[in-house]
Parts: sequence; structure tokens; C-alpha cells
Amino acid sequence: GENVEQHPSTLSVQEGDSAVIKCTYSDSASNYFPWYKQELGKRPQLIIDIRSNVGEKKDQRIAVTLNKTAKHFSLHITETQPEDSAVYFCAASKGNQGGKLIFGQGTELSVKP
Amino acid sequence: GAVVSQHPSWVICKSGTSVKIECRSLDFQATTMFWYRQFPKQSLMLMATSNEGSKATYEQGVEKDKFLINHASLTLSTLTVTSAHPEDSSLYICSASGRGLPTFFGQGTRLTVV
Repeated sequence: GENVEQHPSTLSVQEGDSAVIKCTYSDSASNYFPWYKQELGKRPQLIIDIRSNVGEKKDQRIAVTLNKTAKHFSLHITETQPEDSAVYFCAASKGNQGGKLIFGQGTELSVKP
Repeated sequence: GAVVSQHPSWVICKSGTSVKIECRSLDFQATTMFWYRQFPKQSLMLMATSNEGSKATYEQGVEKDKFLINHASLTLSTLTVTSAHPEDSSLYICSASGRGLPTFFGQGTRLTVV
């Protein structure tokens, strides 16, 4: 089955710096890759997603890139702010947006003021 | 985004008893619901996929007789943890997806078995 690896497990940056989180997946049939932000004690919130027919997608300070050949995708957060501090999960899915999600291990991002 | 609600948000039960957790999609019809378990500081582990009107599909290693899933309508799925033990203590999170929609998560149910 699908396996998603996520790195790093923890990431600490200064406010204003950029943060990059990387994920690799094993199943070449996966075609939908969402990123979720989970604050302590709260539910995961979708922050951005990308389909396999697109190489890059951007939404304000957040961008995601996808390399289908290498089977990896990355989350880029620019101009980080303390409120960006949370655990971020990547996921992979087959079929469509509503398919089952296989999650990476998570990255705990800490943005220091 | 769409709203998915779980009930209860937290529950404490005695070892050996059963606990039922509800997952509702409040403003859309969820053709598929998913149940995850999340231990502290760990990722979400998929337990099972639930399609309305059919039997759930369980992930490898998940005991279907222990974690009973029912998806009787397009807006409600239930997870029953039977004969709960302390090692079943965890955060149980459901998610729901409808036609053409991404997956939205419930707020989670924190189960503590004493």
C-alpha cells in the first residue's frame, strides 16, 4: 500500500524566515496531495492541496510543489509568523479529493518571534 | 469549508465497556467517511473507510470486531469501540468527503479507558 514519508519531524525558524517541509510517497498511482495544519488540541485543517496534473500551486504565503517523477512534494511557507506554529501533515490519495488519505508523520513547526 | 462534527468530544469509560462515537456531516452529503486514530505527538493512522449503505473496509491490523463501524446515512457514521481497554485510549478523528469535495475532519473524540 501507499507509504508517505515526511521530513523533518521538527523545524524551528525565526519569524520572517521561510520554512520548507518535504514528503515522498511510494504509490505512483497517487494523484492528490493535500497539506493539513493541526494546532494543539484541534482538528487538522486543509491549508493547500495539489493534484498530479499540476507542478506548483501558491496561495499567498503558502506554496506546494510536486515532482511526480521523483514522487515527492513540498510545502513552502514564506515570511513565517508565530501563528504558523503548529504540526503540519502531508498526505497522499488516489482517485480523487475524497479518497482515503495516507498521512506523513508530521512536522512540528515552531516560529520564534 | 464544510462542517464535520463528532460527538462526544471526550469520553471516559471503564475497561471492558463499549463506547460509541458519532460523526456527522452537517452541511453536505458524505458519500465516504473515514476513521483515524491519533496517539499523542503522532500522525493520523487510518483505521477504516466507511461508505454509506455498505460494510466498512478496515486497514490491515485493525480488528473489525473490536471497532464496529456503521454508516447508515449520508450524514452519519458511528464508531463503536467494544470491550475497551486502556491501550485503546486515543484521539479518534473522523473525516468526511462528498462528491467533488476535499476531505474535512471532525474535531476528534478523546477516549480515555480507565
